[in-house]
Amino acid sequence: DTAVSQTPKYLVTQMGNDKSIKCEQNLGHDTMYWYKQDSKKFLKIMFSYNNKELIINETVPNRFSPKSPDKAHLNLHINSLELGDSAVYFCASSQRGRSTADTQYFGPGTRLTVL
Amino acid sequence: GESVGLHLPTLSVQEGDNSIINCAYSNSASDYFIWYKQESGKGPQFIIDIRSNMDKRQGQRVTVLLNKTVKHLSLQIAATQPGDSAVYFCAETHLNDYKLSFGAGTTVTVRA
Repeated sequence: DTAVSQTPKYLVTQMGNDKSIKCEQNLGHDTMYWYKQDSKKFLKIMFSYNNKELIINETVPNRFSPKSPDKAHLNLHINSLELGDSAVYFCASSQRGRSTADTQYFGPGTRLTVL
Repeated sequence: GESVGLHLPTLSVQEGDNSIINCAYSNSASDYFIWYKQESGKGPQFIIDIRSNMDKRQGQRVTVLLNKTVKHLSLQIAATQPGDSAVYFCAETHLNDYKLSFGAGTTVTVRA
């Protein structure tokens, strides 16, 4: 009965590969997010979708492409992986998203290591 | 208790003491602030929030203080326990915005 789940938990891959991370929430929330946490624990928003519509698209290389097949899922596809992409990626969701007074619930994270 | 005057990346606390974690925020237009706790290997977890029309809000063993004049936020943890060991983040936003901006975290270590 995990609220926000991500797969895989760990991902080790070679430079230049293409990989995807999946996120699912069973909270019935309308808004989902992807964050990147670097080695210094700094958390930065990357993308957000509200009811399958992209509403936040931060300055992220276009090698990163989010996809939301339905409001319970938000996947992150990364092309041509680079060493600097190594980080922990967190998915989160919130109920309505019109106001960030809605608490964001985070998944357990996916640790991506690019060799 | 132990406190941090300015933001420091680490805080070591004796079990049973009170902890104070400080955070300076940058955007004077921010009107909603949240503290998150991140335990090792897990995602951030909501602790407590406060809106800009308040100076103080209390939860269970935690209190958040907001000083809008100097753009400063603090989290006080009473009777710190080993389970409080984690990285603590403050986050700021505007209520009409979707985006949370996270501060640099503070790693709290509780000594037995």
